[in-house]
Amino acid sequence: QVRLVESGGGVVQPGRSLRLSCTASGFTFNNYAMHWVRQAPGKGLQWVAVIPYDGSIKYYADSVNGRFIVSRDNSKNTVYLQMNSLRADDTAVYYCAKDRGYSASWDNYFDSWGQGTLVTVSS
Amino acid sequence: DIVMTQSPDSLAVSLGDRATINCKSSQTVLLRSNDKNYLAWYQQRPGQPPKLLIYWASTRESGVPDRFSGSGSGTDFTLTISSLESEDAAVYYCQQYYNTPPTFGQGTKVEIK
Repeated sequence: QVRLVESGGGVVQPGRSLRLSCTASGFTFNNYAMHWVRQAPGKGLQWVAVIPYDGSIKYYADSVNGRFIVSRDNSKNTVYLQMNSLRADDTAVYYCAKDRGYSASWDNYFDSWGQGTLVTVSS
Repeated sequence: DIVMTQSPDSLAVSLGDRATINCKSSQTVLLRSNDKNYLAWYQQRPGQPPKLLIYWASTRESGVPDRFSGSGSGTDFTLTISSLESEDAAVYYCQQYYNTPPTFGQGTKVEIK
């Protein structure tokens, strides 16, 4: 079965950086786009970024564009989220999520989710 | 961005009764060329990640009980739980995937009365 395991969360000061990882198993990783979605404490879901199966194009939410970078290493079945210039409003549980679409045509909805990793931005 | 608005924000339903959640998009999520509505529903139980329930507005994900159903088209959608069970206590989100960025409704909390 599909398994997604996020890591790398923690407490970080405003303006600093953090890199999240998500390691996948149970499916052919290099055939699927992967997303990051976040959820601030007690709040709803916010999409953050997507990277297609081959890493060729990346899209970001306006709120993180220019500060966050999504990447993937298909040899390691892992997707990353490099978060720079962190702000207090980036505090959230960050989920990685698998896209339903196959190969070059990703669908932008999410059929499997990890358990999430908490990022707290605080001085 | 397409804004998704759910109603109500919360509801309390007795076991065995019907629960209905509405979702409205700020613009159509129906693609005329394939007649598909780019709308999904998720369930999030406390302390858990979201779980996909419905996609293409009305297609139930594999393994999802048939008491969950989705309907609607264009800009107005509904998630119905036909006979509420205790395990259905959760927050439910609609999400459009017609445009990037994909956007979610604010969530509807379903409680057991």
